[in-house]
Amino acid sequence: GDSVTQMEGPVTLSEEAFLTINCTYTATGYPSLFWYVQYPGEGLQLLLKATKADDKGSNKGFEATYRKETTSFHLEKGSVQVSDSAVYFCALTTPNTGGFKTIFGAGTRLFVKA
Amino acid sequence: GAGVSQSPSNKVTEKGKDVELRCDPISGHTALYWYRQSLGQGLEFLIYFQGNSAPDKSGLPSDRFSAERTGGSVSTLTIQRTQQEDSAVYLCASSFGGRGTVNTEAFFGQGTRLTVV
Repeated sequence: GDSVTQMEGPVTLSEEAFLTINCTYTATGYPSLFWYVQYPGEGLQLLLKATKADDKGSNKGFEATYRKETTSFHLEKGSVQVSDSAVYFCALTTPNTGGFKTIFGAGTRLFVKA
Repeated sequence: GAGVSQSPSNKVTEKGKDVELRCDPISGHTALYWYRQSLGQGLEFLIYFQGNSAPDKSGLPSDRFSAERTGGSVSTLTIQRTQQEDSAVYLCASSFGGRGTVNTEAFFGQGTRLTVV
């Protein structure tokens, strides 16, 4: 069945370091791909998305490119800040009975040290 | 309402009691999801609704858990004979899951924190 696999955390970085969180997926058809973020004490919210192959989603300095050939959607940021400390979830939506279903990865916790 | 609303926000219950958690999705969203998040853990999928039907119930951990959705809107997650291991934050999300759209972003409620003592 359809699934999302993302790197296990926690990931600990120093401020201004480069961030990559890997995400790969398995899906039939052409899913849309998402990254959601959960800041401490807050609810999950959409960070960025891409709806077709080679699309790049970007927001708040984060980027991810929809790579169909490698079935990946890795999250990157060139220079992380302490305020980026959060849990990041990769997700896809795939056609399902009567509509679309969202499938989430297990989440990757990021700690950024000052 | 403007967003996904969950109630109660906090619930403390005694072991063995039944609890009901409510989710009011965004109007017009046909897809509704329940997840569980234990302290420091990721999202554990419980159940997915498309309209009033549940094509995927595979995540319900035991037969003590059930959920229903009526009128294609409000959903209730019921946990019978609660156990301490049921303590977690229960999250609801909804999306416009209908065909013919690429806008399938999921919107989350703030969750219900359940504590079984």
